[in-house]
Amino acid sequence: QQQVKQSPQSLIVQKGGISIINCAYENTAFDYFPWYQQFPGKGPALLIAIRPDVSEKKEGRFTISFNKSAKQFSLHIMDSQPGDSATYFCAASRDTGRRALTFGSGTRLQVQP
Amino acid sequence: SAVISQKPSRDICQRGTSLTIQCQVDSQVTMMFWYRQQPGQSLTLIATANQGSEATYESGFVIDKFPISRPNLTFSTLTVSNMSPEDSSIYLCSVLRSSGANVLTFGAGSRLTVL
Repeated sequence: QQQVKQSPQSLIVQKGGISIINCAYENTAFDYFPWYQQFPGKGPALLIAIRPDVSEKKEGRFTISFNKSAKQFSLHIMDSQPGDSATYFCAASRDTGRRALTFGSGTRLQVQP
Repeated sequence: SAVISQKPSRDICQRGTSLTIQCQVDSQVTMMFWYRQQPGQSLTLIATANQGSEATYESGFVIDKFPISRPNLTFSTLTVSNMSPEDSSIYLCSVLRSSGANVLTFGAGSRLTVL
């Protein structure tokens, strides 16, 4: 599987702060880039996703920034809340065909009250 | 999104035994995948479950160790054969709907501990 590199491995943010998680991919055929949120004991759930025809997508407090030339994308969580404390995974896939996701290594976010 | 039921949710198994995990979806789906998530780690794709034909396995995973069935568009099984402690993981079923946005939905997973 093509690699997707994610950083940082863990992140501690104060309530109200901005959480930033970064990912880089290798396969230029990837054209779908989702972020998943996973709470302990649960399966990952789609948070937000972007396709390379746009450089930014915002949904509420969550924003994806996408840099196609650098093959990088990032998740920004504005006004971070304790309820955002979870593990976040970036992923990438083709947007057609089999569409199996390749996941990053995950970031454990802790938002302190 | 699709509702996915996985059974068992967790199990403790003895070395050398086999366990079958079931994945039932509440609606027909185009694609079904099986992922493995080792403790504190990321998700690794094991295989794509193909309806009516042999599953497509990723590098490092073989049919003899992880036989998969998909008899219809809403059900699949993954068997972990001849288990060893290294197989202790969470196994997750995921599905892609037949229509709509490209959203991969995951079940809650099956946590296996091999003693």
